[in-house]
Amino acid sequence: AQSVTQLDSQVPVFEEAPVELRCNYSSSVSVYLFWYVQYPNQGLQLLLKYLSGSTLVESINGFEAEFNKSQTSFHLRKPSVHISDTAEYFCAVSVVLTGGGNKLTFGTGTQLKVEL
Amino acid sequence: DTEVTQTPKHLVMGMTNKKSLKCEQHMGHRAMYWYKQKAKKPPELMFVYSYEKLSINESVPSRFSPECPNSSLLNLHLHALQPEDSALYLCASSQDRAQPQHFGDGTRLSIL
Repeated sequence: AQSVTQLDSQVPVFEEAPVELRCNYSSSVSVYLFWYVQYPNQGLQLLLKYLSGSTLVESINGFEAEFNKSQTSFHLRKPSVHISDTAEYFCAVSVVLTGGGNKLTFGTGTQLKVEL
Repeated sequence: DTEVTQTPKHLVMGMTNKKSLKCEQHMGHRAMYWYKQKAKKPPELMFVYSYEKLSINESVPSRFSPECPNSSLLNLHLHALQPEDSALYLCASSQDRAQPQHFGDGTRLSIL
C-alpha cells in the first residue's frame, strides 16, 4: 500500500519570499510522484511530475521539486512566491494498475497563503 | 482551459431525483476516472475505466452508476442520493499507465 504525508496543512508566506511544501511518501513498489495545485472552485492542475531520470523537476511557473529516494521525499519549492500562487497543493503517488491506468494516492493537502 | 470537460458545473437535486454527470476528453486517453472531493479534503477515487471497461470500483454505493459509452465519454448516473453525497465530483483521464492524470473542473453537487 502507498501513503503520502504532507506535514503542513497551512503555510503562510509573504510575497517574494521563498517557500517549501513538504511531502513524504511510503510505498512497497515503484511509484511515480506528482504535485497538483487546486485553485478555488476549480479542478486539480498538474504542477510537476517525476517519472524517471533527473531527480530535480521544474515547472514553467518557477516551482521545482526534488525526488529523494533515500528520504522518500518529494518536497516542492519556489524561490519567490507571488500572490497568485495562493492555492491548495496536493502531493500524490501513483502506481500502475494491472488492468490499465494508474491509481493516485493523495496527501491531505497544504494550503499556501501568500500575503502582501 | 482544461482539456477534460465536465457538465454540468453545478447540480442541485432532491433525494428522489435521477440525474447524470458527464465527462468528455479528446486527448486520446484510454483511462478515465471518477473522484469525489469534500471541502478541504483530497479527492477520493470512486471508479477507474480502462479501454472502456470498469477496472476498479472503490466500494462505491450502488446509487452511483458509472458508464463509459466510448473512449472519449464517461458518465456518472445518480439516483436516490443522500445529503452526505454533496461534494465536488471530478473526472480525470490519463494516456498510459504511468502518465499523469488530467482533471476537469468538476461538478459541484448539492443534495437537498
